Amino acid sequence: KQEVTQIPAALSVPEGENLVLNCSFTDSAIYNLQWFRQDPGKGLTSLLLIQSSQREQTSGRLNASLDKSSGRSTLYIAASQPGDSATYLCAVRRPTDKLIFGTGTRLQVFP
Amino acid sequence: GAVVSQHPSRVICKSGTSVKIECRSLDFQATTMFWYRQFPKQSLMLMATSNEGSKATYEQGVEKDKFLINHASLTLSTLTVTSAHPEDSSFYICSARYSLEAFFGQGTRLTVV
Repeated sequence: KQEVTQIPAALSVPEGENLVLNCSFTDSAIYNLQWFRQDPGKGLTSLLLIQSSQREQTSGRLNASLDKSSGRSTLYIAASQPGDSATYLCAVRRPTDKLIFGTGTRLQVFP
Repeated sequence: GAVVSQHPSRVICKSGTSVKIECRSLDFQATTMFWYRQFPKQSLMLMATSNEGSKATYEQGVEKDKFLINHASLTLSTLTVTSAHPEDSSFYICSARYSLEAFFGQGTRLTVV
């Protein structure tokens, strides 16, 4: 059974810091891994998608890496801003087409 | 990216009544949509997979008669919570896949009083 864990569960940092959020999964048989952002009471916004054959993806200040063999992905946020405050979720897509979500990291960036 | 629209964003209903939530893919066709439930400060739990023109596939432990799913067209799936009770109060989110990426609706906050 695929299990997805995110560390840390919560993070509070001052503005300007570079951050690393971690995601680990137990079964390496995945199609892809996706990082999402969720603001309180809102739906999910897709940030980055990494195919199983890829090592990393970048979008603006965000960089996501994938090491499928070790079951790990990291989301790197450069020069964090208060507007980055949200819950970040990673999810792996299985061959059955289902997304399995991680436990989430609640990020707060204070001015 | 693709847009998934969910309606309503909030609904309050009386215990025993039914509530319908709509999920639309606005600029693409989705033969498959997914319905999730999210409890406070927890991650998303997949409830069911909605398939256009056929029956939905429910996850283990999800009551089919309680959560009715209809996927009548390539752009619309509906979730009806029947005979709602306070324990059904939750945040419900739908999703559709466009190309390789999953896109989500804005979510519906259901409160049963």
